[in-house]
Amino acid sequence: DGGITQSPKYLFRKEGQNVTLSCEQNLNHDAMYWYRQDPGQGLRLIYYSQIVNDFQKGDIAEGYSVSREKKESFPLTVTSAQKNPTAFYLCASSVARGYGSYNEQFFGPGTRLTVL
Amino acid sequence: AQSVTQLDSHVSVSEGTPVLLRCNYSSSYSPSLFWYVQHPNKGLQLLLKYTSAATLVKGINGFEAEFKKSETSFHLTKPSAHMSDAAEYFCVVSDQETSGSRLTFGEGTQLTVNP
Repeated sequence: DGGITQSPKYLFRKEGQNVTLSCEQNLNHDAMYWYRQDPGQGLRLIYYSQIVNDFQKGDIAEGYSVSREKKESFPLTVTSAQKNPTAFYLCASSVARGYGSYNEQFFGPGTRLTVL
Repeated sequence: AQSVTQLDSHVSVSEGTPVLLRCNYSSSYSPSLFWYVQHPNKGLQLLLKYTSAATLVKGINGFEAEFKKSETSFHLTKPSAHMSDAAEYFCVVSDQETSGSRLTFGEGTQLTVNP
C-alpha cells in the first residue's frame, strides 16, 4: 500500500530543544517537500529536495534543517532558533520535474508540534 | 511569479444545495492548477487538476472545476453539497517553467455544510 507516513502525529517540545519530524514515502518519488501550516493560512514551503543528497530552502527555512540521505526519507529538524515553532507540519512528495506529472504532490497526514 | 487568490475565506451552504468556491490565479506561463481538500488534522487530498487538456475538469466526490484563461479563474463547483464535504479547500497553482516543482497555495476556503 503506497503512501507517505509522518511520525509522530503529535509532538510536544520544551522551548530551547531541537526536535526531528519523520517523513517516509514508498511511492518511489524523487522530490520531497516540507510545509508549515498555521491556523487560517495556506501552506508555506520550508525546504524541498528534488534528488537524494540535494535540497533547497523554501520561503521560510530559517530555524529549520533537513537531510536527504535516502530517496524514501526526508526528516525535518526544528531547531531552537525557530522562534515560533508551534504549527502543523506537512510532508509531501512528487515525481521529478519533466516526467509529465504536472507537479501533483501527495501529502502525508501531518505532525502537530506544540512548544510548551 | 505565480500567485493564487481564494476569494472567500468561509463559505456556508445547506445540504443538497450547490457549492461554489472561487479561485483566481496569476502565472507567467501556462499553469497547472489543482484543488486540494483538507479535513481537520489531516493531510491534503487531491480533488482535481488542470493540466492544459480539457478546460472542464472532473474530480472526485462529484466536484468539478473550469479553467477560464480570459478570467484567470479556476472555480470549484459541486451540484449538491453533502455533509461530508465540510472541510477546508485549497486552490493551488504551479508554473513548471518558472517555479520548477514548487506549488503556490491559496489561503484556503473553509466550507461549512448545514443540515
